[in-house]
Amino acid sequence: NAGVTQTPKFQVLKTGQSMTLQCAQDMNHEYMSWYRQDPGMGLRLIHYSVGAGITDQGEVPNGYNVSRSTTEDFPLRLLSAAPSQTSVYFCASSHTRLLGEQYFGPGTRLTVT
Amino acid sequence: GIQVEQSPPDLILQEGANSTLRCNFSDSVNNLQWFHQNPWGQLINLFYIPSGTKQNGRLSATTVATERYSLLYISSSQTTDSGVYFCAGRVTGGGNKLTFGTGTQLKVEL
Repeated sequence: NAGVTQTPKFQVLKTGQSMTLQCAQDMNHEYMSWYRQDPGMGLRLIHYSVGAGITDQGEVPNGYNVSRSTTEDFPLRLLSAAPSQTSVYFCASSHTRLLGEQYFGPGTRLTVT
Repeated sequence: GIQVEQSPPDLILQEGANSTLRCNFSDSVNNLQWFHQNPWGQLINLFYIPSGTKQNGRLSATTVATERYSLLYISSSQTTDSGVYFCAGRVTGGGNKLTFGTGTQLKVEL
């Protein structure tokens, strides 16, 4: 198993550009989520999904969209990037929708200029 | 919202020393987990420990859910233990969301 994979590893955007961060898992996990990590602030939940077709907002959802059309994939879309979205983004998955043990991807480092 | 306090925020150890990291929650939580973020940024799940005690090699963890805290013990520390340790939990009745603490930065020196 590849586990949780994320692409790209690094990305630089200009203010106002859009992009999609990709996340995939091959463990047939029901629960998937996106976090952002900023210095001194730990990890904050952006959006999560408990299964295909079901998504919900986390702590900091503004400026981000998600969809879950398959069990395997959970992309995160930035519609109009802002410098405040400069961060490291992590995708995670869990076997159960009831939030069992979380497995993290390697992260995407995003810089918005 | 729930507050997750981790202590100490920073810790420097000599190789071979033991340490205890603490995680306090302001509200009732379940699904408590401990993670290690290595110096390259990778997050690894150390323990899924809603209650009780678990051990994995030199690491062990104890959660006392009724008193809203969890402890992570590191024995005979090694330089590879360096990094940031996070705890996270789900607020009871708060939906399927994990809330993370701000972490303990650990450096193990030779």
